[in-house]
Amino acid sequence: AQSVTQLDSHVSVSEGTPVLLRCNYSSSYSPSLFWYVQHPNKGLQLLLKYTSAATLVKGINGFEAEFKKSETSFHLTKPSAHMSDAAEYFCVVSPYGGATNKLIFGTGTLLAVQP
Amino acid sequence: NAGVTQTPKFRILKIGQSMTLQCTQDMNHNYMYWYRQDPGMGLKLIYYSVGAGITDKGEVPNGYNVSRSTTEDFPLRLELAAPSQTSVYFCASSAGLAGTYNEQFFGPGTRLTVL
Repeated sequence: AQSVTQLDSHVSVSEGTPVLLRCNYSSSYSPSLFWYVQHPNKGLQLLLKYTSAATLVKGINGFEAEFKKSETSFHLTKPSAHMSDAAEYFCVVSPYGGATNKLIFGTGTLLAVQP
Repeated sequence: NAGVTQTPKFRILKIGQSMTLQCTQDMNHNYMYWYRQDPGMGLKLIYYSVGAGITDKGEVPNGYNVSRSTTEDFPLRLELAAPSQTSVYFCASSAGLAGTYNEQFFGPGTRLTVL
């Protein structure tokens, strides 16, 4: 079965310190993987996506994620947190090798950034 | 460029009432989606459409209906509202299959409460 697990429901960091949001997936096929961000009372916005061209993916606002097939992980990182990064982050996997409209969303990680 | 718009932003319904959630996109996308987001959960796909006149069920379609008469509009109908349908509803669109690296663009959501 295809699934995605976000290992932390809440993460709190201080402004200027690194961010790590963890995501593990399960897929019988070579997956498509995404990270989306949701700011309060807003819709989701794409941060980055894994396209199989490179295992280290760079996204918007300084975020990046590394696809590790051996660990079935796709963790999201940022070297230095900013107050504006406070939001909920969703790891998303597309099963069936991408040939589907039915994405599987993780339960989300709420990132708090302390001044 | 408005992107994906949803109306209303908020609504309170009584049990058994019906309503239509409106969704419009101005990006000429063929693919459109309806999701619901419950507290502490990831988004669940209700219905999706791959073009005008073509719709299909997602993961949680019971209690909902959709239609797609134009490329721009994808309304979601609740016929007999139940408390279990209390949720935040998001409409999204994409240029191609969601799984094949195509970014989904989300509306701001409709917060629905059924009492």
